[in-house]
Amino acid sequence: QKEVEQDPGPLSVPEGAIVSLNCTYSNSAFQYFMWYRQYSRKGPELLMYTYSSGNKEDGRFTAQVDKSSKYISLFIRDSQPSDSATYLCAMSGYGNKLVFGAGTILRVKS
Amino acid sequence: ETGVTQTPRHLVMGMTNKKSLKCEQHLGHNAMYWYKQSAKKPLELMFVYSLEERVENNSVPSRFSPECPNSSHLFLHLHTLQPEDSALYLCASSQLGQGLDGYTFGSGTRLTVV
Repeated sequence: QKEVEQDPGPLSVPEGAIVSLNCTYSNSAFQYFMWYRQYSRKGPELLMYTYSSGNKEDGRFTAQVDKSSKYISLFIRDSQPSDSATYLCAMSGYGNKLVFGAGTILRVKS
Repeated sequence: ETGVTQTPRHLVMGMTNKKSLKCEQHLGHNAMYWYKQSAKKPLELMFVYSLEERVENNSVPSRFSPECPNSSHLFLHLHTLQPEDSALYLCASSQLGQGLDGYTFGSGTRLTVV
């Protein structure tokens, strides 16, 4: 079993849709949870991060962590074509290196 | 220059060639990383340098040789590579010991081995 599972997609949605991206994990020691966005021909950039369980909102983006289910989500409201990218989840225990998911390709069609 | 800079952006090399990838970070971070990114696979951590000392080597073949001459520069020396080594090689940096600020990545070097 992989430490972090993420559906590679691609996920295609119309402009304005609500997008839900998800990861599951197996290591209960993970405390920090992140989402990176990677545009074509670019490196990943940190989009959001949360510590332990709960929600965090930043504009159109909401990150959710459910540690009891070992499940994290990223929601994008009012999706735009500029949101088309690969989204990678990443997580770590305290002081440890990040473990990444495979990334989900998102395509938002205008 | 800001952030993490990688050169070259693209590299095509034969299996008998020797080449080097370069990474420079302008963030004052104390840790640097090499990752390999292949299609539909998670990022594979190759090497970690903390305060210029290699602290991790994830069973990477010896045809990949890292070098960290100072806290701002990281190299990946390549020799006698195989076609399956073709991938995007990403460099990242972070500041250890000050909470979790995440990693800052460069744009990567797209390597093709022919």
